[in-house]
Amino acid sequence: GAGVSQSPSNKVTEKGKDVELRCDPISGHTALYWYRQSLGQGLEFLIYFQGNSAPDKSGLPSDRFSAERTGGSVSTLTIQRTQQEDSAVYLCASSLVGGPNEKLFFGSGTQLSVL
Amino acid sequence: RKEVEQDPGPFNVPEGATVAFNCTYSNSASQSFFWYRQDCRKEPKLLMSVYSSGNEDGRFTAQLNRASQYISLLIRDSKLSDSATYLCVVMRRAGANNLFFGTGTRLTVIP
Repeated sequence: GAGVSQSPSNKVTEKGKDVELRCDPISGHTALYWYRQSLGQGLEFLIYFQGNSAPDKSGLPSDRFSAERTGGSVSTLTIQRTQQEDSAVYLCASSLVGGPNEKLFFGSGTQLSVL
Repeated sequence: RKEVEQDPGPFNVPEGATVAFNCTYSNSASQSFFWYRQDCRKEPKLLMSVYSSGNEDGRFTAQLNRASQYISLLIRDSKLSDSATYLCVVMRRAGANNLFFGTGTRLTVIP
């Protein structure tokens, strides 16, 4: 596609439920990032993929969070047993990797609300 | 100490004013630098890269001072449409997750 696509754009769920967030990066982009942003806050790094592997999972806040990427393309971020503090905008970004000017292209995010 | 620090603002300036933002980074091995712009409830978008010699894009000028480890963004002749949050981004090396975002500086341009 022309840009990074995320779905759903909004998700309202009940505390304790599992949710899946999807990211479809720009075709050909090998690097994929997940961030989250709470209202009025900066971006919090969650996980980074290079191809299908995740060399850096250091940002995942707990073992309730997991992510995978298949075919070097689509990625899914799963949050199990959601908590109210998980409410945030989850942003996905992709980039070409190889040069020093690694520019990120962001999707429009998934607004997650845990009631 | 945070990897990247920015003055959160807010900066409220009249149309036509010149405004400057600074950003400091802690790791001297940082290699690449960027300014991103984020509109309210929107995703961040790349505004410009920051080159060692400084660079200009229309009304926007970015500068890098490696010795003092800071980056600046200057906006001349501010427009209402410049109102946004400006994020400073620092990368340590290519090919790995070493991208660090500042928390952003909020700018409001007032008519």
